[in-house]
Amino acid sequence: NAGVTQTPKFRILKIGQSMTLQCTQDMNHNYMYWYRQDPGMGLKLIYYSVGAGITDKGEVPNGYNVSRSTTEDFPLRLELAAPSQTSVYFCASSYSSSWFSAKNIQYFGAGTRLSVL
Amino acid sequence: GDSVTQMEGPVTLSEEAFLTINCTYTATGYPSLFWYVQYPGEGLQLLLKATKADDKGSNKGFEATYRKETTSFHLEKGSVQVSDSAVYFCALRMVQGAQKLVFGQGTRLTINP
Repeated sequence: NAGVTQTPKFRILKIGQSMTLQCTQDMNHNYMYWYRQDPGMGLKLIYYSVGAGITDKGEVPNGYNVSRSTTEDFPLRLELAAPSQTSVYFCASSYSSSWFSAKNIQYFGAGTRLSVL
Repeated sequence: GDSVTQMEGPVTLSEEAFLTINCTYTATGYPSLFWYVQYPGEGLQLLLKATKADDKGSNKGFEATYRKETTSFHLEKGSVQVSDSAVYFCALRMVQGAQKLVFGQGTRLTINP
């Protein structure tokens, strides 16, 4: 009963390094999301995907890239890490059968805590 | 744009006290409303939801009523326990489209025995 799995749980990067945050879900959800959570703040949407091969920008996409080659996986790529990207990153997924749906629920992973020094 | 405002935290209460965490929203149209809870070191879990005006969501003794006239979705619990200590997030989601969540800033709740 894995749900949404994120790896790694913790990571420290140096400025300018790159890394990929992994996210996989085993619930056959079509929608997936990446959020970041800064201290004392709510979550902000970075990127989202409504299905394999389809991605779109959220509220704070600068400095990140995503891809969605399969239904299960939605990796988040940081190309040139900056101190402003120090945050906790959450991946989420949900299922929606139509463009208009009030009932679907987003399920969250446990998060990746990233520090850029 | 759409937004959610929660009461300022942190909130500290004694066990068995009554809890209210205020949440108001601004949205074009009629969103679904949610409360998520984040326990230390964990991801967010859905606590309760309401999808239309006057709906009451409830779970684990927590309740919230969707008030369209005051654009509010306040979280309440009659008697809190130490195990309720967590961060609580109010969120909205528009029904159509990619169904992105918009979160409030979160309220940290600490319950003392």
